[in-house]
Amino acid sequence: EAGVTQSPTHLIKTRGQQATLRCSPISGHTSVYWYQQALGLGLQFLLWYDEGEERNRGNFPPRFSGRQFPNYSSELNVNALELEDSALYLCASSLAGNQPQHFGDGTRLSIL
Amino acid sequence: QQPVQSPQAVILREGEDAVINCSSSKALYSVHWYRQKHGEAPVFLMILLKGGEQKGHEKISASFNEKKQQSSLYLTASQLSYSGTYFCGSSEIYNQGGKLIFGQGTELSVKP
Repeated sequence: EAGVTQSPTHLIKTRGQQATLRCSPISGHTSVYWYQQALGLGLQFLLWYDEGEERNRGNFPPRFSGRQFPNYSSELNVNALELEDSALYLCASSLAGNQPQHFGDGTRLSIL
Repeated sequence: QQPVQSPQAVILREGEDAVINCSSSKALYSVHWYRQKHGEAPVFLMILLKGGEQKGHEKISASFNEKKQQSSLYLTASQLSYSGTYFCGSSEIYNQGGKLIFGQGTELSVKP
């Protein structure tokens, strides 16, 4: 069974640009989560999607947004990139809310 | 409010035991435990959904005291493969469990 897949693996952008990160959940999983992990720090909750709807979001500015498609894959968009957005962005999926979350390998976003 | 993990770091010899604690100032619906090795994605260990519940996974077990709003992870007869950073993630009742707030992590090093 394929795990959670994320693309791209690495992404280099400059300040002010926009970034799009993609995530494909495990087959059968309807919930997708996005987390930000800055270097040496813990996991900061960004967004939770379930059945195409945004269920909850963390304390991040509106320039962090996303969506979930009918096939349950998801996209995270970050507009007006700032230097402090440099981090590993992890996507996870689960069968439903409050079920074990399975993580992808992440997208390393670097802002120059 | 981020749960607080203790200790922040621990060094063990192979075969020794360890306990990692996770405390929250808010009422909890569930607690998840994950392990992340350097450069890898977090891996799910276990989820505790009920107060007073205790679960086991090989030589790793956990307890969840709903009244005290805390969970503990027990690692017995540690192996080299147990090295990594351990995160607890908590969900609050009103969030329906999908939004996990993670602690800052506990770095565990097991030496031969």
